[in-house]
Amino acid sequence: GAGVSQSPSNKVTEKGKDVELRCDPISGHTALYWYRQSLGQGLEFLIYFQGNSAPDKSGLPSDRFSAERTGGSVSTLTIQRTQQEDSAVYLCASSLGGGSYGYTFGSGTRLTVV
Amino acid sequence: DQQVKQNSPSLSVQEGRISILNCDYTNSMFDYFLWYKKYPAEGPTFLISISSIKDKNEDGRFTVFLNKSAKHLSLHIVPSQPGDSAVYFCASIRKTGANNLFFGTGTRLTVIP
Repeated sequence: GAGVSQSPSNKVTEKGKDVELRCDPISGHTALYWYRQSLGQGLEFLIYFQGNSAPDKSGLPSDRFSAERTGGSVSTLTIQRTQQEDSAVYLCASSLGGGSYGYTFGSGTRLTVV
Repeated sequence: DQQVKQNSPSLSVQEGRISILNCDYTNSMFDYFLWYKKYPAEGPTFLISISSIKDKNEDGRFTVFLNKSAKHLSLHIVPSQPGDSAVYFCASIRKTGANNLFFGTGTRLTVIP
């Protein structure tokens, strides 16, 4: 597609349930990033994928968070046993990688844990 | 540890005037800086960037200034237009060996017609 596509756009889930958030990056972009923005906070880095390299998971806040990227394209961010503090907007971005920092962001998934 | 800081959560400016958004960073290894603009319910979009070898970069109505000694950068918008009303994020990266941008908390700009 022309841009980065994220789904769902909104997700309300009960505390303790697992959720999956999907990101479809721009075709040909080798780098993919997940960030989240909690209320009143900046964009917090979560995880980074670059081509076939091992992902940089240094930003994941706990072991309840995981992400995968299949075939170098679509990525799924999974949050297990959701907590209320997980409520945030989860943003995915892609770039050409190799020193290109003009990330293209998706519109995000607003996750609300009740 | 917030390595990129935007201390003004909001700014209001009259249409036609200059908007100045400020950003401070703590990591002296950062050597590339960007500004992103975000409208409600949309993802941030890249606006303008500057390398640490420069102190100014201009693109139309937008100019970014970098003061490395003060670890400070600013975005000037002139003249400001109502369509510029958005949240502006400052971001920084160390180009060598880095994997991700570090973002500030954002400044909400409101341009009053």
